[in-house]
Amino acid sequence: ETGVTQTPRHLVMGMTNKKSLKCEQHLGHNAMYWYKQSAKKPLELMFVYNFKEQTENNSVPSRFSPECPNSSHLFLHLHTLQPEDSALYLCASSQGLDQPQHFGDGTRLSIL
Amino acid sequence: QKEVEQDPGPLSVPEGAIVSLNCTYSNSAFQYFMWYRQYSRKGPELLMYTYSSGNKEDGRFTAQVDKSSKYISLFIRDSQPSDSATYLCASQYNQGGKLIFGQGTELSVKP
Repeated sequence: ETGVTQTPRHLVMGMTNKKSLKCEQHLGHNAMYWYKQSAKKPLELMFVYNFKEQTENNSVPSRFSPECPNSSHLFLHLHTLQPEDSALYLCASSQGLDQPQHFGDGTRLSIL
Repeated sequence: QKEVEQDPGPLSVPEGAIVSLNCTYSNSAFQYFMWYRQYSRKGPELLMYTYSSGNKEDGRFTAQVDKSSKYISLFIRDSQPSDSATYLCASQYNQGGKLIFGQGTELSVKP
């Protein structure tokens, strides 16, 4: 079983829809992250959770709402998204904030 | 100015060649440097993790950091078609700090 699993792998939604992205890690890590990867642009950190507590919100619009119910699961709730939000959303986890991050394979999101 | 700059490529080399991938960074406070490999339709995979200046070798891969010139390099010896991927460099102020990524270099190794 892969270390960090993201579902769904692909998602197409309209601008008025509400959907959620899910991330689950099987590595026993304590920190989890959401990143956005757009074409030809660097990965952008969105949110960081450590022991279920949010430690960083990188000025992300409120239409993205993270949730971390426990150290193994991380969600990203989406509502009223814009076309520029189309991207690959990557989840990562690490043993601690000072340890290397391990990434999932991402959810490819397309906003119509 | 971007904090970490990387030539996006694409870079195409024949099998067996030595590949040199490079990044520059602007902030001298960066202490930790990483290289990730990302295959198509996959997430980034950590290849190398180094602290401060110097070299680190792992099999066919060597990571090099020159803090005096703010230059990060990844060398791949005896390159293989399976090395074809996008390579991302990343820097960090301190352990536990935010990772700052370059935009990635696309590498193609031709048989």
